Amino acid sequence: EIVMTQSPATLSMSPGERATLSCRASQRIASNLAWYHQKPGQAPRLLISGASTRATGIPARFSGSGSGTEFTLTISSLQSEDFAVYYCQQYNSWPLTFGGGTRVEI
Amino acid sequence: QVQLVESGGAVVQPGGSLRLSCAASGFTFSNYAMFWVRQAPGKGLEWVAFIRYNGTTKYYADSVKGRFTVSRDNSKNTLYLQMNSLRVEDTAMYYCAKRGEGMDVWGRGTTVAVSS
Repeated sequence: EIVMTQSPATLSMSPGERATLSCRASQRIASNLAWYHQKPGQAPRLLISGASTRATGIPARFSGSGSGTEFTLTISSLQSEDFAVYYCQQYNSWPLTFGGGTRVEI
Repeated sequence: QVQLVESGGAVVQPGGSLRLSCAASGFTFSNYAMFWVRQAPGKGLEWVAFIRYNGTTKYYADSVKGRFTVSRDNSKNTLYLQMNSLRVEDTAMYYCAKRGEGMDVWGRGTTVAVSS
């Protein structure tokens, strides 16, 4: 099983700041990585797939990078609606696995 | 509008059974593989099951293998999760999700609570 490790667990930020979230895979997964965010009481929402491709309707302030085992999600200028929990997920091999999440808080 | 709506969640005793449903609309359901993902209270996301677009291939997390069965009825645009021998640790919000690159559409979830 591929273990996905996210860091940090919590990121304390202010609106307008740049946020950088990390995700590490225990084995190489090429670019088969997705990022989601989840607001309280809501379902997760896909942000990025293929490590760097924004999903439909996702603002350009969200960007993803990386391949192999090291991945990054960057939010260039935090908006109030971006404060949420962010998960990475690999879909390179079964079982599919998620990281433990990074909470972005004010 | 692409939409997934889960139903069937309930409070059930350990050892009991439950069947969850996920009604799809706004896209050609029969063309897409589907997932079940769950989230225990206050915890992260856990993939549970996968079914290919035509139902011929299924995968399960080890934690549910042999107890849960995923199925679909493409004529009814509906995905199912049959859950048997339920355990306290199966308590969670259960989401269905559509396969795109990753999981590109999610339902709002249905709650399963396993308690005596």
